[in-house]
Amino acid sequence: QVHLQESGPGLVKPSETLSLTCTVSGGSISSSSYYWGWIRQSPGKGLEWIGSIHYSGATYYYPSFKSRVTISLDTSRNQFSLRLTSVTASDTALYYCARRAGASPFNFDYWGQGTLVTVSS
Amino acid sequence: DIQLTQSPSTLSAFVGDRVTITCRASQGIGTYLAWYQQKPGKAPKLLVYQASNLGSGVPSRFSGGGSGTEFTLSISSLQPDDFATYFCQQYDIHRSFGPGTKVEIK
Repeated sequence: QVHLQESGPGLVKPSETLSLTCTVSGGSISSSSYYWGWIRQSPGKGLEWIGSIHYSGATYYYPSFKSRVTISLDTSRNQFSLRLTSVTASDTALYYCARRAGASPFNFDYWGQGTLVTVSS
Repeated sequence: DIQLTQSPSTLSAFVGDRVTITCRASQGIGTYLAWYQQKPGKAPKLLVYQASNLGSGVPSRFSGGGSGTEFTLSISSLQPDDFATYFCQQYDIHRSFGPGTKVEIK
């Protein structure tokens, strides 16, 4: 059974960089069959896909985040990470990491429990 | 960007009722649509993909349909475990989610 767990600071100051890590167990992020993504959820904006990364290193970012986001892999630790720069209060949200199948069902089939990030001074 | 709308935003129903939720896309997306169920304090769970295919372990009382710009998720006989919020998500161009439909006990 694949398990994903987010970790990182729960409080980030405005204009600083949000950094989160997702640790995957029960499966390898080096598998070519899957993509690894970040999704966030807030009361004001609902669910938002931020981006995904494939073992090959290919990254895919939602346009509204593209200028501020970097997703990377650490295969030695079976982890992947999110960096979001220049955060504002509107980046306050519950951040999820998730696995997306490259073939059927083509969507996010395993999710972490989510980690709340608050942007405030 | 492809925008998704859902109706209704809230649905009140009895156990045993048949319920249907609609998702509309701002442009045609073929059948690149998924549905997720989310319960309070939990991550979303994949229910349906490719508009009408049930995810792994999803009960057969759930069904999805539609193509192009209009899609539906139906529950044939609402069970106590089904009271939750349901989101549609398109994956034709990038990925975006609908605002959700909360299914409440009547």
